[in-house]
Amino acid sequence: SQTIHQWPATLVQPVGSPLSLECTVEGTSNPNLYWYRQAAGRGLQLLFYSVGIGQISSEVPQNLSASRPQDRQFILSSKKLLLSDSGFYLCAWKASSETQYFGPGTRLLVL
Amino acid sequence: GEDVEQSLFLSVREGDSSVINCTYTDSSSTYLYWYKQEPGAGLQLLTYIFSNMDMKQDQRLTVLLNKKDKHLSLRIADTQTGDSAIYFCAETVNDYKLSFGAGTTVTVRA
Repeated sequence: SQTIHQWPATLVQPVGSPLSLECTVEGTSNPNLYWYRQAAGRGLQLLFYSVGIGQISSEVPQNLSASRPQDRQFILSSKKLLLSDSGFYLCAWKASSETQYFGPGTRLLVL
Repeated sequence: GEDVEQSLFLSVREGDSSVINCTYTDSSSTYLYWYKQEPGAGLQLLTYIFSNMDMKQDQRLTVLLNKKDKHLSLRIADTQTGDSAIYFCAETVNDYKLSFGAGTTVTVRA
């Protein structure tokens, strides 16, 4: 069966520090991968998605970036965090013609 | 268009039925979804309905789809305290993307 992992689960970082969040999927090949952000009390905002290794589509201009170095690994990064980057970051995967399945999320607090 | 709307809050008594409503705008959406998010957790797929269906029932869950009005609803029968969560409606935008509503926070009171 397929599983999706995210780490860390919780992160507290100072403003201006770098960020690296990791998402890995097991039990499937060549999935579509997604990064969403959920601000407190709000809905989901799609940040990036990837249909293959090295292929990244950005949905919202911001100081975040994404990379997909391996088929089942998706990384969300920032060189300098802003206060507004605080939120709950969700990774999701999707096989062709199926729905999206979400990971457990990473809670990021920027102070 | 990609605009999914939901009411933000619903309070229901334990044992009653809950009905969560959603409107969407893209008539070409092939699937419509309901996800559940418990506090501090990711989104869990609850159920989905294909756009050529009017209704889908799965145990305590009933999904109704009115394509003419672009209206989707989720009914939870015999609501329990474990049903307290945020419920997201979503529609397919294309082969890659979903568009989500803002979520309805359901509170079950004793």
